[in-house]
Amino acid sequence: EDQVTQSPEALRLQEGESSSLNCSYTVSGLRGLFWYRQDPGKGPEFLFTLYSAGEEKEKERLKATLTKKESFLHITAPKPEDSATYLCAVPNAGNNRKLIWGLGTSLAVNP
Amino acid sequence: DTEVTQTPKHLVMGMTNKKSLKCEQHMGHRAMYWYKQKAKKPPELMFVYSYEKLSINESVPSRFSPECPNSSLLNLHLHALQPEDSALYLCASSQAQGVPEAFFGQGTRLTVV
Repeated sequence: EDQVTQSPEALRLQEGESSSLNCSYTVSGLRGLFWYRQDPGKGPEFLFTLYSAGEEKEKERLKATLTKKESFLHITAPKPEDSATYLCAVPNAGNNRKLIWGLGTSLAVNP
Repeated sequence: DTEVTQTPKHLVMGMTNKKSLKCEQHMGHRAMYWYKQKAKKPPELMFVYSYEKLSINESVPSRFSPECPNSSLLNLHLHALQPEDSALYLCASSQAQGVPEAFFGQGTRLTVV
């Protein structure tokens, strides 16, 4: 069964304290892994797409990496404005490529 | 323009009301989506339109009725909703179905009383 698991469920960091979020997946024939950021009461904002093991993408203080079983979202020297819920998703193995979502990691960065 | 615009932002409706949610995009995307999101849960797919035709209906109750009048517009008609239907309703679009890099709107916060 296609599945996406994110950890930790919640993470509280001090400003400047780097850390990583994890997204592990079980899907036949990975056709991409997607990271989104969601602020409370707003729609998800697309961050990254990763397609193959070893691939890395960066945007400001965020770097996403991918292995054959999991993806990491590294946050370097976070700021309070990085506080949000980070969601990852993968397309299912079927023809409709419906997204299978993780439950997200709620990140709080304290000043 | 990389925006998906949803209206209204907030909606309170009674269980006997009929209302509609609207979504608009001008990115030339040919796939449009409705999602429902409850607190502390990921988005839950409801409908997918591909080239203005309904492609996926995730067994959504008939009190939710989608409509795609043209390639830029997506509506969700609501009738006889239940309090448990209260949620954030999100519209999204992507270049095509199967291209999951989707752009989401800001959502409509729906409360059914």
